[in-house]
Amino acid sequence: IQMTQSPSSLSASVGDRVTITCRTSQNINNYLHWYQQRPGKAPNLLIYDASTLQSGVPSRFSGSGSGTDFTLTISSLQPEDFATYYCQQSFRTPGTFGQGTKVEIK
Amino acid sequence: QVQLVESGGDLVKPGGSLRLSCAASGFSFSDYYMNWIRQVPGKGLEWLSYTGSSNTYTAYADSVKGRFTISRDNAKNSLYLQMNSLRAEDTATYYCARGGSRVYTAMVTDYWGQGTLVTVSS
Repeated sequence: IQMTQSPSSLSASVGDRVTITCRTSQNINNYLHWYQQRPGKAPNLLIYDASTLQSGVPSRFSGSGSGTDFTLTISSLQPEDFATYYCQQSFRTPGTFGQGTKVEIK
Repeated sequence: QVQLVESGGDLVKPGGSLRLSCAASGFSFSDYYMNWIRQVPGKGLEWLSYTGSSNTYTAYADSVKGRFTISRDNAKNSLYLQMNSLRAEDTATYYCARGGSRVYTAMVTDYWGQGTLVTVSS
């Protein structure tokens, strides 16, 4: 299953609303998950099953979509949110990841 | 608290072998699927393999199938990745990550280790 994540990078300011999209090459129902990776750290699960917020993740993160089109939204960007974000499908093996979206400070 | 600690990364020559380990603590290890995922420096994430509770349910990415073997020892709360016939393109940081407790959540990874670096070079 091919993953197309966009944009590959974006510049935004603290307080901005940010949207990242992930498109899959076939219907994966809601088997889509989002991760955040800060520099030098392991990825951290943010959203699973397309829209369920992982425990401990701030509510400014939200996910939506099903089928082939998915979105991660950060409602009000905070300084600690500058990182790279990845989507991943778990509908079938291999559990392919998107190529990542780097969110940088404007 | 859940903790995953990888070890075993090293510099190895092309064609060589290496065994990575992941020591787990803070949860009932045998109840969860466990995964290996790698990341080439400066690049994206690549899922490699998972194993179910008793080593009977395993899956691999095509890029490592036939060369890498995942296994676990529930008595030791440990996950392993035996890597054979290593290539330069296997150079990466290797992460172990906890999946869910059901096969349909096997690749939903909620805890990750800090990673161990494998460098394949002559």
